[in-house]
Amino acid sequence: NAGVTQTPKFRVLKTGQSMTLLCAQDMNHEYMYWYRQDPGMGLRLIHYSVGEGTTAKGEVPDGYNVSRLKKQNFLLGLESAAPSQTSVYFCASSSSGTSGTFTGELFFGEGSRLTVL
Amino acid sequence: QQQVKQSPQSLIVQKGGISIINCAYENTAFDYFPWYQQFPGKGPALLIAIRPDVSEKKEGRFTISFNKSAKQFSLHIMDSQPGDSATYFCAASLKGGTYKYIFGTGTRLKVLA
Repeated sequence: NAGVTQTPKFRVLKTGQSMTLLCAQDMNHEYMYWYRQDPGMGLRLIHYSVGEGTTAKGEVPDGYNVSRLKKQNFLLGLESAAPSQTSVYFCASSSSGTSGTFTGELFFGEGSRLTVL
Repeated sequence: QQQVKQSPQSLIVQKGGISIINCAYENTAFDYFPWYQQFPGKGPALLIAIRPDVSEKKEGRFTISFNKSAKQFSLHIMDSQPGDSATYFCAASLKGGTYKYIFGTGTRLKVLA
């Protein structure tokens, strides 16, 4: 079991460039999330999804878009990167609880470090 | 009201000592309080969690103490070891939600050998 896999692990962009971060999970989880981690700020939720074809905004959604076309994948897009988006991005997934196996636990990927020059 | 305030920002403890990290929240609708542990270069991983119907939960050397009236909870690491050196995040989530956690700002723990 790979768990939650994020690609790429590292990326350097120039201001104004676009890119997509890919998250894949093999645990058949309904819920998926994108967080960003910045020093002294903890983890802040960007967007999340409660199922295939659905997305919703989190705490800091501006400048990002997401898509969940398949249950196992959650994509995070930056249309026009800005230096303020330099961060470490974490994808996470969790079960919904409907299957009786719910624990509330988030399973995180290892992160994608993005630098915007 | 959605914030979770965590302290201290950093902590240095001698091997064998007790590490204590504190968190406070405002929203009484929060009903699940996990602690996550993160090693450098890795994603956070669930360490231990508690619900507000109990005042304490212990798993090995790790204990959560929960004070519902004060809206505070804390993580105690007994007999701290160098391998416990990591960043610890407290979090809270709302009842019946999609477990959109509100995370604290993190505590960087260093345990000296």
